Amino acid sequence: QQQVKQSPQSLIVQKGGISIINCAYENTAFDYFPWYQQFPGKGPALLIAIRPDVSEKKEGRFTISFNKSAKQFSLHIMDSQPGDSATYFCAARGNTDKLIFGTGTRLQVFP
Amino acid sequence: DAMVIQNPRYQVTQFGKPVTLSCSQTLNHNVMYWYQQKSSQAPKLLFHYYDKDFNNEADTPDNFQSRRPNTSFCFLDIRSPGLGDAAMYLCATSGAQETQYFGPGTRLLVL
Repeated sequence: QQQVKQSPQSLIVQKGGISIINCAYENTAFDYFPWYQQFPGKGPALLIAIRPDVSEKKEGRFTISFNKSAKQFSLHIMDSQPGDSATYFCAARGNTDKLIFGTGTRLQVFP
Repeated sequence: DAMVIQNPRYQVTQFGKPVTLSCSQTLNHNVMYWYQQKSSQAPKLLFHYYDKDFNNEADTPDNFQSRRPNTSFCFLDIRSPGLGDAAMYLCATSGAQETQYFGPGTRLLVL
């Protein structure tokens, strides 16, 4: 019940296309859902986060869609760029200070 | 401008030789975390401090220890590194129930 399932494991997108990464959870106590972007050899960096009282949050080309009833949330990257090539982790947090991470998605954007 | 600082960025040690990794933060956050991340995997929480209260994950090997002498600093001690301990070690901080911010990581190589 503590797991966060993430798909796909890897994603190849052409420059200018839309990248979509999906996550699903079981624990209804989760109340904070961040996405992290990680480049090789670097630490994860917070990209965007959402709480379950909103269904969508947009920051520039990055959008989180949240479906509370389905217990699913997704990251959309519009107009994907080669510089977006990285590993993306979704995560969830409940009433503790610990994050539960998804397994990660390696995104490659080709020119 | 750095918020979570990790030293060294790269550490080479010999099999069985104790090693200490350090983390410092300028955010005055009361929660500090240590994660282990292996290639193509999500970060795995080893332990975290809420102020001086130490919280060990159930599956963290006894070989890993931690110290937090003050709010700003936290250390990870690996008493007898094995080949399987080669990984990226990530430090993160957060305010209580707030976003986690990661440092750049220390890459540990065990020879």
